Amino acid sequence: TQLLEQSPQFLSIQEGENLTVYCNSSSVFSSLQWYRQEPGEGPVLLVTVVTGGEVKKLKRLTFQFGDARKDSSLHITAAQTGDTGLYLCAGAPNSGGYQKVTFGTGTKLQVIP
Amino acid sequence: NAGVMQNPRHLVRRRGQEARLRCSPMKGHSHVYWYRQLPEEGLKFMVYLQKENIIDESGMPKERFSAEFPKEGPSILRIQQVVRGDSAAYFCASSPLKPGRGSTNEKLFFGSGTQLSVL
Repeated sequence: TQLLEQSPQFLSIQEGENLTVYCNSSSVFSSLQWYRQEPGEGPVLLVTVVTGGEVKKLKRLTFQFGDARKDSSLHITAAQTGDTGLYLCAGAPNSGGYQKVTFGTGTKLQVIP
Repeated sequence: NAGVMQNPRHLVRRRGQEARLRCSPMKGHSHVYWYRQLPEEGLKFMVYLQKENIIDESGMPKERFSAEFPKEGPSILRIQQVVRGDSAAYFCASSPLKPGRGSTNEKLFFGSGTQLSVL
C-alpha cells in the first residue's frame, strides 16, 4: 500500500501570510494531484503534476513535484480567507491504474482575517 | 452542464438497516469511483466501475458492501446491515477517461457526498 503523509496536519495563519504544505511518500508516483475540499463538499482538483521537478503556478498557489516523484509541495503566497479548506494530495501509482490513486492524510488550513 | 450528483446528502440509519447511496456521473462520463472519508482523514478508494462492470473492488469490505453501475440509471453503493463503524462521508467521482499512466488530462470530478450516520 502506498502511503502519502501530509504536513502539517493543521495550520492556522493570518491573512496575508505565506505558507507551505508538504506531501511525502516513500513510493514513486506517475503523477500527483492536489485537491481542495470545503466542509460538506467533495474535493475539487487544483492541479496535476507529472514530471519530476515540475513546477506549476495557479495564481497565488505554487505546486512542485519532487525530482524523484515521491513528494510534492504546495506554497500559498499572501493567503486569503477564501483559501481556507482541507488540502489533499493524491498520487497515481507508477504501475498505472488511475483508479488506485492514493489520497494523503490532508492539511486543514484556516486563514484568519 | 450538471456535475456529479449524489443523493441523499444525508442519510440516517439504525444498526442493521440497509443504506443505498446513489451517484449520477457527469454527462458523458462512463467511469465511476466510490471513496469513503472518515472525519479529519483523506479519502479511501473503495470501488471503480464502468457501465455494467465492476473493474476494481479491492477497496471494498468483503461483506455487506456492494456496488453497481447499470446500463441505465445511477451507480448504487449498497451497505447491508449497517454498523456504527460505517458512519462516514461517501463520495462518488466520475471521469471521462479510461485510467492510464500519468496524464494531466486525467481528472476526477467529485460529487458533494453522502454523509451516512448510523445510530
